[in-house]
Amino acid sequence: GAGVSQTPSNKVTEKGKYVELRCDPISGHTALYWYRQSLGQGPEFLIYFQGTGAADDSGLPNDRFFAVRPEGSVSTLKIQRTERGDSAVYLCASSPQGTGDEQFFGPGTRLTVL
Amino acid sequence: AQSVTQLGSHVSVSEGALVLLRCNYSSSVPPYLFWYVQYPNQGLQLLLKYTTGATLVKGINGFEAEFKKSETSFHLTKPSAHMSDAAEYFCAVRVPSGTYKYIFGTGTRLKVLA
Repeated sequence: GAGVSQTPSNKVTEKGKYVELRCDPISGHTALYWYRQSLGQGPEFLIYFQGTGAADDSGLPNDRFFAVRPEGSVSTLKIQRTERGDSAVYLCASSPQGTGDEQFFGPGTRLTVL
Repeated sequence: AQSVTQLGSHVSVSEGALVLLRCNYSSSVPPYLFWYVQYPNQGLQLLLKYTTGATLVKGINGFEAEFKKSETSFHLTKPSAHMSDAAEYFCAVRVPSGTYKYIFGTGTRLKVLA
């Protein structure tokens, strides 16, 4: 079946602009995670959804970052007033019920802020 | 709190030689541990996982890892390296409750020499 998909695969923007990154999880997976992977680092947790609600957003670096999942499937990560330090690969993962089973990762969106 | 340390950001082995990638963890409760592989421009793919039970875990592509509680380690091994094993490898520990988010190590890039 289809895996986790993310669009766009690459996004180049200018400092100060607004961007949206999209994640389509595996059908039926209720848990959805966003991670950020900076160059030379492992992925770092940003936010977790169980269904439609953000159950844990403790990893969001500041209030310029926001994410939604209005219908419990597709999620959008939104970044306002982008900064050069936001440049990274943003990874999305889903799992069946968020019970600790394997997380399935998408290919990521590479964000470059000029 | 959980944490992961991967010793050696870069490892080189000859084709056919033993692969050993090191991972040490810190966890206040019995951990769930994972190894993921990341090929260039691709998402994270699960190699293997330890949850409970047998401490020697076999995964895909001939990889295995042994959970050693006394050493707080979960090293990844493969008896004979293949050129196609060249990739970045991440060890992760799962937060045991709530979000079940992953805490990743910084990764080890494996290079296989002909």
